[in-house]
Amino acid sequence: EIVLTQSPGTLSLSPGERATLFCRASQGVNSTYLAWYQQRPGQAPRLLIYGASKRATGIPDRFSGSGSGTDFSLTISRLEPEDFAVYCCQHYGSSQWTFGQGTKVEI
Amino acid sequence: QLVQSGGGLVQTGGSLRLSCGASGFRFSSYGMSWVRQAPGKGLEWLSYISRSGTVKFYADSVKGRFTISRDLAKNSLSLQMSSLKADDTAVYYCARGLQDVGAANFDCWGQGTLVTVSS
Repeated sequence: EIVLTQSPGTLSLSPGERATLFCRASQGVNSTYLAWYQQRPGQAPRLLIYGASKRATGIPDRFSGSGSGTDFSLTISRLEPEDFAVYCCQHYGSSQWTFGQGTKVEI
Repeated sequence: QLVQSGGGLVQTGGSLRLSCGASGFRFSSYGMSWVRQAPGKGLEWLSYISRSGTVKFYADSVKGRFTISRDLAKNSLSLQMSSLKADDTAVYYCARGLQDVGAANFDCWGQGTLVTVSS
């Protein structure tokens, strides 16, 4: 079973700053199936990135993803007020879908 | 759009059925999943059903207790939950699989419904 570990647990930043979040898999994974989601309080998750680096429909270009193998990252180039939320990575493999525990980006 | 119904308070050991109605897209063209989130915790995938409904997968935590199904005529997805435990208390989401990656990720989510299991 693949485990996704995200770091840091919490990221404290100001609007306009750059945020970099990390997701490490317990073993090498297929980057085709690696995604990132944003979840605001009381809301359902929203797909941001899939295929490790492809932005989902309607996602602003300040969001970018990269990585391969076991190490992946999500970067928000300039934080907007609405970007303060929880972000989680997710992977699919061997008929199982796995989520990381999440990183909270707070002001 | 995915609109959920069902949920609520149920006793330990009881059963509950969640539903998820799809609109605005060809329901039969998408694999679908259920995902839950316990209070203050991360997301946990529970179950997947293929486009035709013939292939189903379950997380170990719910295998044998939960059953996923879909009604293509009604554009509806369901999750039948039985032998519920306190650990099943969570917000439950239905989610549509992203076609580009064969439903490996989720590009549309229901609004979520709270299930509380209590004695």
